[in-house]
Amino acid sequence: GENVEQHPSTLSVQEGDSAVIKCTYSDSASNYFPWYKQELGKRPQLIIDIRSNVGEKKDQRIAVTLNKTAKHFSLHITETQPEDSAVYFCAASSDAGGTSYGKLTFGQGTILTVHP
Amino acid sequence: ETGVTQTPRHLVMGMTNKKSLKCEQHLGHNAMYWYKQSAKKPLELMFVYNFKEQTENNSVPSRFSPECPNSSHLFLHLHTLQPEDSALYLCASSQSSGLANIQYFGAGTRLSVL
Repeated sequence: GENVEQHPSTLSVQEGDSAVIKCTYSDSASNYFPWYKQELGKRPQLIIDIRSNVGEKKDQRIAVTLNKTAKHFSLHITETQPEDSAVYFCAASSDAGGTSYGKLTFGQGTILTVHP
Repeated sequence: ETGVTQTPRHLVMGMTNKKSLKCEQHLGHNAMYWYKQSAKKPLELMFVYNFKEQTENNSVPSRFSPECPNSSHLFLHLHTLQPEDSALYLCASSQSSGLANIQYFGAGTRLSVL
C-alpha cells in the first residue's frame, strides 16, 4: 500500500518569511495530491491540490510542486501570516483498482507556527 | 459550515459503555469515511462506504461497528472501548465519480475513554 512521509513535523517562522513542507510517497500509481490545513479544534480543510499531469500549481500565497520521478511534492507558503499557524497534512491517492472514491493516505502532519 | 456535521462534538465514556457517533452530510455525496486522528500520528482511515456499501475496513477492531443507512448518514457504534481508543474521530464525504475525489471533513468527535 501507499506510504506518505512528511517533514518537518514542526516548523516555526517569522511573519513574512516563507515556509516549505515536503512529502514523499511510495506508490508510483498515485496521481492526486491534496494538502489540508487544520486549525486548532477545527476540521481539516483542503487548501490546494495537484494532479500528476502538472508539475506546479499556485493559488495566491500558496503553491504546490510535484516531482513524479522522485515521488515527492511540496507545499510552499510565501509571506506567512500568524493566521497561517495550523497543522498541515499532505496526502496521496490513486485510482488503483478502479475505485470510484478517493482513498487518501495522509502524512504525519506539520505544525506550523508563524510568529508576529 | 454545515456541509458535514458530526455529533456529539465531545464524548466521555467508560470501557463498558455503548455509544454511537453520528455523521450527516448535506453535499449530495455518495461516499463517506471514518478516520481516527491521534496525537502525533497521521489520519488513519477506518472505514469507507460507497453508495451505502462498505468498501474498506482498514483492519479496525470489532469494538468499532459502522453503519450507513443511506448516503447522507454514517454512524460509528462503540462498544467496550479501550483507553487507547481515545482520539478525534473524523467523518468525511466525497462524490463517487471521477478520480481521487475531494474529501470534505466534519469537525470531529473528541472521544475520551476512561
